[in-house]
Amino acid sequence: GAGVSQSPSNKVTEKGKDVELRCDPISGHTALYWYRQSLGQGLEFLIYFQGNSAPDKSGLPSDRFSAERTGGSVSTLTIQRTQQEDSAVYLCASSKGGSSYNEQFFGPGTRLTVL
Amino acid sequence: GESVGLHLPTLSVQEGDNSIINCAYSNSASDYFIWYKQESGKGPQFIIDIRSNMDKRQGQRVTVLLNKTVKHLSLQIAATQPGDSAVYFCAENTRGYQKVTFGTGTKLQVIP
Repeated sequence: GAGVSQSPSNKVTEKGKDVELRCDPISGHTALYWYRQSLGQGLEFLIYFQGNSAPDKSGLPSDRFSAERTGGSVSTLTIQRTQQEDSAVYLCASSKGGSSYNEQFFGPGTRLTVL
Repeated sequence: GESVGLHLPTLSVQEGDNSIINCAYSNSASDYFIWYKQESGKGPQFIIDIRSNMDKRQGQRVTVLLNKTVKHLSLQIAATQPGDSAVYFCAENTRGYQKVTFGTGTKLQVIP
């Protein structure tokens, strides 16, 4: 079946511009996660959704970052007034939810480059 | 703060040999541990997991060992193959919390 998809796969933007990154989770998965991965680094947790609610936003680096999820499905991560330090791969994952033991399935990521 | 880290950033192994990737964690409340494999240009892929009430779990060619006394986790890959070349991450979370904390990763290079 279809896995987690993300778009765009690559995004190059100029400093100060806003960007939107999209994640389509696996159908039926109620939990959705956003992570950031800088070059050669591990994954940094950003935000978690259960349904359309975000009980844990603790990882968002600043108020320039926001995310929403609609219909319990698609999620959008928005970065306003991008900075060069925002350059990274942004990964989305989904899981069946309901338990912290559920396997997370990752998408291929969006590579963001801020010039 | 609490963290999960790896001892070795890069590991080179001859094809056919066994690989051992190590991970240390510091959060004593962690009760669920996962190993992920990430190939170049792809998202992480689940390999195997283990709960804190176990000290060993086996999968196909992979074994995870958990030593809660010293807060240490290892991934053993038997008969390493070129397709095993990737970055391996250990991750942990605590029961009731959905946030998963990842280590920085170990790059496994398989020498043909």
